[in-house]
Amino acid sequence: GQSLEQPSEVTAVEGAIVQINCTYQTSGFYGLSWYQQHDGGAPTFLSYNALDGLEETGRFSSFLSRSDSYGYLLLQELQMKDSASYFCAVKDNYQLIWGAGTKLIIKP
Amino acid sequence: EAQVTQNPRYLITVTGKKLTVTCSQNMNHEYMSWYRQDPGLGLRQIYYSMNVEVTDKGDVPEGYKVSRKEKRNFPLILESPSPNQTSLYFCASSFSGDSYEQYFGPGTRLTVT
Repeated sequence: GQSLEQPSEVTAVEGAIVQINCTYQTSGFYGLSWYQQHDGGAPTFLSYNALDGLEETGRFSSFLSRSDSYGYLLLQELQMKDSASYFCAVKDNYQLIWGAGTKLIIKP
Repeated sequence: EAQVTQNPRYLITVTGKKLTVTCSQNMNHEYMSWYRQDPGLGLRQIYYSMNVEVTDKGDVPEGYKVSRKEKRNFPLILESPSPNQTSLYFCASSFSGDSYEQYFGPGTRLTVT
């Protein structure tokens, strides 16, 4: 079967750094995406890794290791507005296979 | 403004009463998709479309139909809704099936009683 595992909830302090891990087991793999979803909102794209290594976009970075079927999203200098759910999703040919999401709780 | 729109945003209906949720995008995207989101399960793909008149089943297509007669529109049809189809539905689009970034509509919260 196809599955993506990520922690259900992570808590961090404003201004700190947090890492959200994702492991996957899928029949095909074209890349790993990360999406952010605020309560009541729609998912919005954050980053994508097709090859191994680190991709940096401002305060957010994403890492992929295809040999380990593992990736993570790193959020730096956390702000209260980063409180949201974060989803990893594997691109398998023309489909996106989604993890169940990680709720990020930020404390002041 | 580039966007994906869905209507209605909220819908309460009864079992067996046919309904259609519309989805439209103004970005000239070839690829469109429908997802349902349930607590603890993430998003699951219902159907997707690579282009006009080309549709394919996703992971949970049972009880749903779609059509793609025009590039900009991709309606989701529930011919005989059941309570287990109560969910939050998202339409999404991307430039092509090879694109890694999808743009999502605001969502439709459906309740079937």
